Amino acid sequence: GQQLNQSPQSMFIQEGEDVSMNCTSSSIFNTWLWYKQDPGEGPVLLIALYKAGELTSNGRLTAQFGITRKDSFLNISASIPSDVGIYFCAGQKADSWGKLQFGAGTQVVVTP
Amino acid sequence: NAGVTQTPKFRVLKTGQSMTLLCAQDMNHEYMYWYRQDPGMGLRLIHYSVGEGTTAKGEVPDGYNVSRLKKQNFLLGLESAAPSQTSVYFCASSRGQGTDTQYFGPGTRLTVL
Repeated sequence: GQQLNQSPQSMFIQEGEDVSMNCTSSSIFNTWLWYKQDPGEGPVLLIALYKAGELTSNGRLTAQFGITRKDSFLNISASIPSDVGIYFCAGQKADSWGKLQFGAGTQVVVTP
Repeated sequence: NAGVTQTPKFRVLKTGQSMTLLCAQDMNHEYMYWYRQDPGMGLRLIHYSVGEGTTAKGEVPDGYNVSRLKKQNFLLGLESAAPSQTSVYFCASSRGQGTDTQYFGPGTRLTVL
């Protein structure tokens, strides 16, 4: 069953605000991934994290791999209208190559 | 270079009917995956393949079968569709194992009445 708890479920923010979401698990993962899904499209990889404590940025996005290896967070700074979408975290365990477990997603709505 | 494509985009079935979803990738990837996405549950892995001629079960394989006769194609079959299989189905591919990026197709929205 699903082991990743992603929060918040949805966020309504104004353009220019920062966004923060996180993912927690009862299990240890050796890889954390963050995807974005636009309406009618498949998920697209935003950031990949491979090492506990790792902090990685991709433009206005920053993600961190938690020290305990059981959590990760994603920040979006200075949000813009095209940030609208559903953001998913995904984790991969050491003995489960390629088999990703996904969180339920965070719906982000940006208002002008 | 189309990436990952899925056919059809939409389909409506009656309970008990069968159908096959087609996934094709032109990136010469070894690994391919089928997921289903349901509201509030994220994506769940149905079946996957580590190469031509191989398939394996994922998290939710019951009611589905798959085949990988050609490296570029991965077929998902429903032999006797049930309303519980109403979902959006995504195919993905990756170059190899481990932490290689999975590239997703645009999805197939299936409704079973």
